[in-house]
Amino acid sequence: DTAVSQTPKYLVTQMGNDKSIKCEQNLGHDTMYWYKQDSKKFLKIMFSYNNKELIINETVPNRFSPKSPDKAHLNLHINSLELGDSAVYFCASSQARTGVGSGYTFGSGTRLTVV
Amino acid sequence: QKEVEQDPGPLSVPEGAIVSLNCTYSNSAFQYFMWYRQYSRKGPELLMYTYSSGNKEDGRFTAQVDKSSKYISLFIRDSQPSDSATYLCAMTAAGNKLTFGGGTRVLVKP
Repeated sequence: DTAVSQTPKYLVTQMGNDKSIKCEQNLGHDTMYWYKQDSKKFLKIMFSYNNKELIINETVPNRFSPKSPDKAHLNLHINSLELGDSAVYFCASSQARTGVGSGYTFGSGTRLTVV
Repeated sequence: QKEVEQDPGPLSVPEGAIVSLNCTYSNSAFQYFMWYRQYSRKGPELLMYTYSSGNKEDGRFTAQVDKSSKYISLFIRDSQPSDSATYLCAMTAAGNKLTFGGGTRVLVKP
């Protein structure tokens, strides 16, 4: 019954590895997002997809590559992981492209630790 | 300087007190304003949503927007220990992405 689900919840990996995070929403929303939350709780948008089309691509290293196979799924692949990539990554979805009105529904996050 | 500024706290209050939170912003194009609550190890959840200037009330929560001062507030009346969380303001101009403040940690002591 979880509206936005992310896997895995925790990810501990070594520098230089490649890892993926998966996200699925069952709300019928058209737009999905990846946000990064640093240790100071600051949430920063990384990517946004609307119906499988990339609409927001912030200044993110190209080691990060999102993929949306359909409008209910948005995955994030990270190549050559670095220590600075350690953070909590949140997937979210919304009805409207801007999240106005109904706001965003967030997943519970993936805590990535790079050692 | 960040587009949206929010005092990180922590803000500690006794149970039953009024919690007062606020954010300031610099982008005059912002029109839609939201407050999210985030419990530890959880994702943010939408609490309040307002459009343009004015007040909105929902139960114990009141959101205020003053666009002329670029200042928004959230008040929590009769605070409970279960209100202990981080509160994030967020805002957007129509057609643009949501920009978040850094969050204020609130502790309500029984």
